[in-house]
Amino acid sequence: GESVGLHLPTLSVQEGDNSIINCAYSNSASDYFIWYKQESGKGPQFIIDIRSNMDKRQGQRVTVLLNKTVKHLSLQIAATQPGDSAVYFCAEKEGNQFYFGTGTSLTVIP
Amino acid sequence: SQTIHQWPATLVQPVGSPLSLECTVEGTSNPNLYWYRQAAGRGLQLLFYSVGIGQISSEVPQNLSASRPQDRQFILSSKKLLLSDSGFYLCAWRNGLNTEAFFGQGTRLTVV
Repeated sequence: GESVGLHLPTLSVQEGDNSIINCAYSNSASDYFIWYKQESGKGPQFIIDIRSNMDKRQGQRVTVLLNKTVKHLSLQIAATQPGDSAVYFCAEKEGNQFYFGTGTSLTVIP
Repeated sequence: SQTIHQWPATLVQPVGSPLSLECTVEGTSNPNLYWYRQAAGRGLQLLFYSVGIGQISSEVPQNLSASRPQDRQFILSSKKLLLSDSGFYLCAWRNGLNTEAFFGQGTRLTVV
């Protein structure tokens, strides 16, 4: 479901460290999940997706984990770089709709 | 390749004035189309989605309306803007059952 009224939580990490961003979703019927990255003043960009029949998917420097039991999604970024600084959103698909989580603002400290 | 165009990029409008934001998609047919609003420092709120020409679903009651006069055109409108309509408006499209949505670059609307 949506948490659009909440202020963004923040996460600061040192350059080179790994980042973990978490997201809770509300609808157990959601069958598809996406992580997006949004830089200031721009539209969200796709990072990685995962279907509900999977619990892990890896991309380049990113891994998404899905725990359907507790309705939790996480994004792991390996060797975080300054260019990774952005707001990260998870999204769940319910039928034709996409609903976004609150988002997390990631700041990478050089 | 598919592209999505959203305009204008920024807009300042007085309270009570009308609004028309346009979004067009190229390189695909019969996409699902979406309008989202994002307040500063907040998440994305789904406003409208459309699965076909003339088919609009509204997620929240509000001062806005949407129309889809053509397959790849999605318009967000208001007859009289309110201060609370200020925000960052994003259009998105997608095709297929389990595929990601692709976003436009957004329109920053300021109602004064």
